[in-house]
Amino acid sequence: EAQVTQNPRYLITVTGKKLTVTCSQNMNHEYMSWYRQDPGLGLRQIYYSMNVEVTDKGDVPEGYKVSRKEKRNFPLILESPSPNQTSLYFCASSFSLAGANTGELFFGEGSRLTVL
Amino acid sequence: AQKVTQAQTEISVVEKEDVTLDCVYETRDTTYYLFWYKQPPSGELVFLIRRNSFDEQNEISGRYSWNFQKSTSSFNFTITASQVVDSAVYFCALSEDTGRRALTFGSGTRLQVQP
Repeated sequence: EAQVTQNPRYLITVTGKKLTVTCSQNMNHEYMSWYRQDPGLGLRQIYYSMNVEVTDKGDVPEGYKVSRKEKRNFPLILESPSPNQTSLYFCASSFSLAGANTGELFFGEGSRLTVL
Repeated sequence: AQKVTQAQTEISVVEKEDVTLDCVYETRDTTYYLFWYKQPPSGELVFLIRRNSFDEQNEISGRYSWNFQKSTSSFNFTITASQVVDSAVYFCALSEDTGRRALTFGSGTRLQVQP
């Protein structure tokens, strides 16, 4: 089954304790991205990756890091989480042909993070 | 800069009523893509439709239909004969034709369908 898998789905942590949210897709997609969803703001892009070892900032990258060492994985790293990073996070992937916008974004099921 | 406006924050209807969710967008790109996603109470995002800026044909899929009008920069979504299972938050989104492929989302419309 084609899917984007995120872990953990739910996490409560404390300020300053480093955490990683993993994202893995089994569709051989080149493009992957992270979004955060906050009430009244819709979803906003944090980081994206066009392919392995190619990442770039989205609209709200502050406080986050990403890496893309393998095509299927795109972890989101919070080095020192703060309460304003409490949010619902979505990973997404898409097929990309020469960078063209050829397909829909497939979203993971979301990871709800609470930073106390 | 791109912008998507969903002016209806919440809509409540009774089962079997028709309901239209409005979406107005702004972009300076000539090539762009419009999407609708459904977010049920379980939280996942379900893709409903993708439309490119050169295709203004309306689309119907079962009880769902979409009306794309470039002249008014609108991409409205109608559910005919609504059902309780249609209760969800619906997001309209706009994507530029670049590698970044960022989706600019509206703030969403919460649809409650009462039995």
